[in-house]
Amino acid sequence: DGGITQSPKYLFRKEGQNVTLSCEQNLNHDAMYWYRQDPGQGLRLIYYSQIVNDFQKGDIAEGYSVSREKKESFPLTVTSAQKNPTAFYLCASSPINYAGTRYEQFFGPGTRLTVL
Amino acid sequence: QKEVEQNSGPLSVPEGAIASLNCTYSDRVSQSFFWYRQYSGKSPELIMSIYSNGDKEDGRFTAQLNKASQYVSLLIRDSQPSDSATYLCAVNRDTGRRALTFGSGTRLQVQP
Repeated sequence: DGGITQSPKYLFRKEGQNVTLSCEQNLNHDAMYWYRQDPGQGLRLIYYSQIVNDFQKGDIAEGYSVSREKKESFPLTVTSAQKNPTAFYLCASSPINYAGTRYEQFFGPGTRLTVL
Repeated sequence: QKEVEQNSGPLSVPEGAIASLNCTYSDRVSQSFFWYRQYSGKSPELIMSIYSNGDKEDGRFTAQLNKASQYVSLLIRDSQPSDSATYLCAVNRDTGRRALTFGSGTRLQVQP
């Protein structure tokens, strides 16, 4: 089955801890993205990567870090510097330069992070 | 001004009616437009994409794009209770930062 997997589904963090959210895709997509969604809000872009070993900050990158060592994987670390990390985190991927798709993004099931 | 604006709703329609969801965007460079459906507690699911002015139909869904007015809409014909969800509009420039910008979504309720 092709798709995007995120783990864990639920994550609880104590204040002052760093946590890493996993995102893996087997769609052979070049680009991967991390979004954050707060209740009743749209999605806000944290980081994105269009190629291995390269990534760019999105609109709300402060307190987050990422790596892209493999095409299939784009983990997100929520650091203790992120002041209000409780949210629903969504990973997405999209093909690039694929005729007709124009960066259609497909989402994983999400990770719900709660800070205790 | 928000980059992508949607009425938060809820938009309530009776079963079998046409639901009309609207979205405006501020960046004239935007080239690609998407509608996602998000059920409560779940991740967004892509239901329509549109790139050219005019209408695009897929089953009960029709996306309409007017770049001159910076307006994109989604029509859902023969609405079903299972269509009750939040619908997110997203736009992409296709140049520079190739990431979607999302509206905050419109909540649709289809009454049986």
